Formats: sequence, structure tokens, C-alpha cells
Amino acid sequence: GESVGLHLPTLSVQEGDNSIINCAYSNSASDYFIWYKQESGKGPQFIIDIRSNMDKRQGQRVTVLLNKTVKHLSLQIAATQPGDSAVYFCAEGRGGSEKLVFGKGTKLTVNP
Amino acid sequence: EAGVAQSPRYKIIEKRQSVAFWCNPISGHATLYWYQQILGQGPKLLIQFQNNGVVDDSQLPKDRFSAERLKGVDSTLKIQPAKLEDSAVYLCASSLGAGVKAFFGQGTRLTVV
Repeated sequence: GESVGLHLPTLSVQEGDNSIINCAYSNSASDYFIWYKQESGKGPQFIIDIRSNMDKRQGQRVTVLLNKTVKHLSLQIAATQPGDSAVYFCAEGRGGSEKLVFGKGTKLTVNP
Repeated sequence: EAGVAQSPRYKIIEKRQSVAFWCNPISGHATLYWYQQILGQGPKLLIQFQNNGVVDDSQLPKDRFSAERLKGVDSTLKIQPAKLEDSAVYLCASSLGAGVKAFFGQGTRLTVV
């Protein structure tokens, strides 16, 4: 069935390294994608978004890449810091109502 | 700018009891969402409002869950009667409109015993 999912449930990196979190989607009609960060006990926090007419978008220390050919989305975090430790979700905007459908999430752990 | 406000933060009830959650979205945000997040999973949309009208409630268990957004601002989500499997965090989010980034509240952690 249609779903938004992530390739790896956990990711562990060293402080200062770059992190790459991946997401696969199956609905080719989706045209809006968002990455959220969720720390323990908190609600999801918006990181960056991208529309399907773009391949890449950069923010502060973060870059989102969209490959529509293989229906793949990635979040790159440069110079990962301990404060980046959290669960990261990609969300997909689909349908006429543009409701957001979330994947299962990837837990990022940054080791000092 | 004030964020999305939710209350209560925590709630423990017995099964078959009723419970209500409240959400105050960011001022000016026309779209309001209620999500259910079970431990270890991503948020699942329960209902989406555009102003005071329902846009999508396809995944809302309507036999026990209800939600309203009177006057197109605050919203309440009610569960009656609660089941053990309703234990989750209930997240409210709002956005300027559909198809744009949504901002989330802290959530209400519900435990049904």
C-alpha cells in the first residue's frame, strides 16, 4: 500500500560528522514534503520543507534532497551536534486536502 | 509569536471513562489538525479542520472519538468511552492553510489503565 517510510530506524554518528537520514515515499502524486525533529516529550518541530518542483533546498546546517525518479527524500545535517539527537520524521503531503502523512521516524544519536 | 497551546499535558483515566483535550492554535492559522502518536510510531492524522469545517476525518474512530472547532479557533478532541489502545500522545498542529508547514503543540500524553 501507499506509505511514507524510512530506511533505517536508528542512526548513530560522532559529533562533528555529517548525518544523512533517508525517507522513501510511494505516492507519485505527493508534491510536498517536510522534515520534522521530535525530541523526547515534545511535539514535532519543523526543520525544512520542499515541493516537488525542486530537487534540493538548503537551510541552516540542513539540506533536503528530493529524487522524484526513485521517490526518495533525504535530510542531510552538517556538523552534527549533540543537540541534534532526536527522532526525525519525514511527512508527505498528499491528496486534495494536503494532509500530512508521517513515516515511522529515524532515531538519531550523536555521540560526543 | 505564541505557539500551539495544548492542555492538559498529561492525563490518566480508566478504560470506559471519557476524556477531553483542548487546543489553541497559532493566531491566524486556518487549518488545525489532531494527530495520534503511539509510542515508537509517527503521528497519525485523526482529523483536519479548515476554519470550523472538517476537511478530513477518515481515520477518526467516530464511534468513540469526536472533535469540534467552534468559531474556527480553539478545538477540543473527546474520547468516550476510552479503551486501553487509546493510550498515546495526542498532538494538535496548525498551519496558515492546507499544504503548508504545520506547527505542533507539546501534546497531551494519555494513559488509559
